[in-house]
Amino acid sequence: DGGITQSPKYLFRKEGQNVTLSCEQNLNHDAMYWYRQDPGQGLRLIYYSQIVNDFQKGDIAEGYSVSREKKESFPLTVTSAQKNPTAFYLCASSRRFGGNSYNEQFFGPGTRLTVL
Amino acid sequence: DAKTTQPNSMESNEEEPVHLPCNHSTISGTDYIHWYRQLPSQGPEYVIHGLTSNVNNRMASLAIAEDRKSSTLILHRATLRDAAVYYCILRDPTGNQFYFGTGTSLTVIP
Repeated sequence: DGGITQSPKYLFRKEGQNVTLSCEQNLNHDAMYWYRQDPGQGLRLIYYSQIVNDFQKGDIAEGYSVSREKKESFPLTVTSAQKNPTAFYLCASSRRFGGNSYNEQFFGPGTRLTVL
Repeated sequence: DAKTTQPNSMESNEEEPVHLPCNHSTISGTDYIHWYRQLPSQGPEYVIHGLTSNVNNRMASLAIAEDRKSSTLILHRATLRDAAVYYCILRDPTGNQFYFGTGTSLTVIP
């Protein structure tokens, strides 16, 4: 079954610690994305990657870092510099970045991060 | 700045049609209109997309105004499983950045 997996589903972190959220896809998609969602709000783009070894900042990249060493993996690190990290984090992928017509983003189930 | 405007919430009775409106007055000629929906504590899922013509698929229909400044997502017979937040999103085909607003929270009444 093809899809996107995120782990863990729930994550607790002490203030001042870095934490890495996992995102893996077996859809053979080139593009991957990380979004943050706060309660009652829409999704905001943190980082995206069009291809392996390349990534760009989204609208709210401060306090986050990513890597894209493999096509199927796009981990997100929430650093201690992120002032308010408690949120629901969603990873997505699409066949490619840009281009005409059908370019659906497929989303994982999300990781809910709580900073204690 | 918000690219799309949607009502915060709507209600529908089960098995009745639902029309979810979206205004996008600043849409450019090449922007695609996408609809996604998000069930509680889950990631969003694709519903439908279109450019100029009305579109139908097994989940819904998308009606696009002639001037493309608005669109309507139509669920033909609402079920309890359709209760979700529905997002109307514009996408510039040169990129794939989706700008999610706050969406419309649809409540389906049994």
